[in-house]
Amino acid sequence: NAGVTQTPKFQVLKTGQSMTLQCAQDMNHEYMSWYRQDPGMGLRLIHYSVGAGITDQGEVPNGYNVSRSTTEDFPLRLLSAAPSQTSVYFCASSYGTGTGGAGQYFGPGTRLTVT
Amino acid sequence: RKEVEQDPGPFNVPEGATVAFNCTYSNSASQSFFWYRQDCRKEPKLLMSVYSSGNEDGRFTAQLNRASQYISLLIRDSKLSDSATYLCVVTGGGADGLTFGKGTHLIIQP
Repeated sequence: NAGVTQTPKFQVLKTGQSMTLQCAQDMNHEYMSWYRQDPGMGLRLIHYSVGAGITDQGEVPNGYNVSRSTTEDFPLRLLSAAPSQTSVYFCASSYGTGTGGAGQYFGPGTRLTVT
Repeated sequence: RKEVEQDPGPFNVPEGATVAFNCTYSNSASQSFFWYRQDCRKEPKLLMSVYSSGNEDGRFTAQLNRASQYISLLIRDSKLSDSATYLCVVTGGGADGLTFGKGTHLIIQP
């Protein structure tokens, strides 16, 4: 199993550009989520999904869209990049939801810089 | 009060020593607890779940104290490779039911 994969690993965008961060998992996990991690802020939840066709907002959803058309894929779209979105983005998946208590598997991350 | 609090450290510990750190949580309804490890510029990885009776995995022991609402992680015979940031994760609270602490930075010195 590849686990959770993310592409690209690094990306530089100009303010106002849009892009999609890809995330895929091959463990047949129902639950997937996106986090951003900034120095001193810890991991913050952007969006999550409890199954194909179902998505919901996390703690910091503004400026981001998600979709979940298949169990395997959970892309994160930046609509109009801003310097405040410079961060490391992690995708994660697990068997259960957060309240289900299953540990999460994280992808290797995407380092995004917005200039 | 923050939902999950950890001492950010860094904890500087000589190789071979025992080190312990705690994580306090505010939601008394929390049911599941985890410790994750995150190496510099890498993703978090699940280290161990924390069970009510406490549990051990090799040199690592996790404990839960529901009355005082904290979990602990004890590392015995510490190795250089244990240097990392340790994240405490608690269910309950958060939009999706998971709340991450900001992590405790551990440095094992030769």
